[in-house]
Amino acid sequence: EAGVTQSPTHLIKTRGQQATLRCSPISGHTSVYWYQQALGLGLQFLLWYDEGEERNRGNFPPRFSGRQFPNYSSELNVNALELEDSALYLCASSLKTGRNTEAFFGQGTRLTVV
Amino acid sequence: AQSVTQLDSHVSVSEGTPVLLRCNYSSSYSPSLFWYVQHPNKGLQLLLKYTSAATLVKGINGFEAEFKKSETSFHLTKPSAHMSDAAEYFCVVSERTGGFKTIFGAGTRLFVKA
Repeated sequence: EAGVTQSPTHLIKTRGQQATLRCSPISGHTSVYWYQQALGLGLQFLLWYDEGEERNRGNFPPRFSGRQFPNYSSELNVNALELEDSALYLCASSLKTGRNTEAFFGQGTRLTVV
Repeated sequence: AQSVTQLDSHVSVSEGTPVLLRCNYSSSYSPSLFWYVQHPNKGLQLLLKYTSAATLVKGINGFEAEFKKSETSFHLTKPSAHMSDAAEYFCVVSERTGGFKTIFGAGTRLFVKA
């Protein structure tokens, strides 16, 4: 069974551009989560999608947005890129979120803003 | 308010000696607790999770954690460290309170010396 897949693995953009990151969850998983792992800042929760809808959002500006498609794959869009957006972006998926739901993580997309 | 505190940013042990990675949490509700491991240039992998069935939880690779409600702790231990255990470890608390809140600790980097 394929795990969570993310693309691209690496992405280099210039300041002010837009970045689009993609995530395919494990088959049967309806929930997708996005996290940002910036150097020295640990893992920060970005967004949670379940069954096509945004369910929760972390403390990030509106230029961080995303969506979930009918097949449960997801995109994360970052507009007006800033240097501080350089980070590893991790996607995770799970069955519909319950109290003890385990999330499975992808390998991440490393975004570098120059 | 929900929070996770990993008490050590770095832990260094010698191969064959015990490992202790400390985690304290606060939660308004009965939380779910997880430990994840992240090896260099790899995604996160679940080590173990607390599901309220037993306070001592056994995970993969010989790791275990004990849930102590009175101390609000969920420390991760392993009797004998192996070189392959060198990685970053994240303690995670999750609670469902009409929404979804998952908080990652800042991480503890484990170094294993030969």
